[in-house]
Amino acid sequence: AQSVTQLGSHVSVSEGALVLLRCNYSSSVPPYLFWYVQYPNQGLQLLLKYTTGATLVKGINGFEAEFKKSETSFHLTKPSAHMSDAAEYFCAVSSPNNNDMRFGAGTRLTVKP
Amino acid sequence: NAGVTQTPKFRVLKTGQSMTLLCAQDMNHEYMYWYRQDPGMGLRLIHYSVGEGTTAKGEVPDGYNVSRLKKQNFLLGLESAAPSQTSVYFCASSLEGYLRELFFGEGSRLTVL
Repeated sequence: AQSVTQLGSHVSVSEGALVLLRCNYSSSVPPYLFWYVQYPNQGLQLLLKYTTGATLVKGINGFEAEFKKSETSFHLTKPSAHMSDAAEYFCAVSSPNNNDMRFGAGTRLTVKP
Repeated sequence: NAGVTQTPKFRVLKTGQSMTLLCAQDMNHEYMYWYRQDPGMGLRLIHYSVGEGTTAKGEVPDGYNVSRLKKQNFLLGLESAAPSQTSVYFCASSLEGYLRELFFGEGSRLTVL
């Protein structure tokens, strides 16, 4: 079975500071990894995904994530936080021929002025 | 540009009542999913469909039924609602399963008293 662990249910950063949201996965087969963002009272939107190929993946709004197989991690980063980045972020794992995507519990990002 | 539309957006039920949530997508997607979102637990897959006329169980299917009579619609039914089914329900669709981006509706908040 696949699973995802997001370290830290709440992360607070100052505007302009580095954003680092941690995600570790468990999978017995090569994983597909995703980050989704949820703004208040909205559905989830895809930020970025890793399937195969380059391990550093760039997404929307200046976010990126690096797939590290040896560490079973897929941490999300952004060099400089903006107030509009305040939201909940979900890491998720799936795999080829798998119709079950498992989501982490989510990390709520707060950006202080 | 509707995307994925869920109705109703809010509903309050008494224990034992039944109801149906409707999900409609206008993107001609084959795959459709129903998730529930609970605090601290992320999103959990209830049921999904890989095409018109097909349905399958996800991680937490008990107490729910689904139907996909038309490609664009995916219905989630609660035959006898229980307080444990109080949650926010999200419908999502994708073109080719989890390899492609999931498009989410805005959610349906259900309270069972």
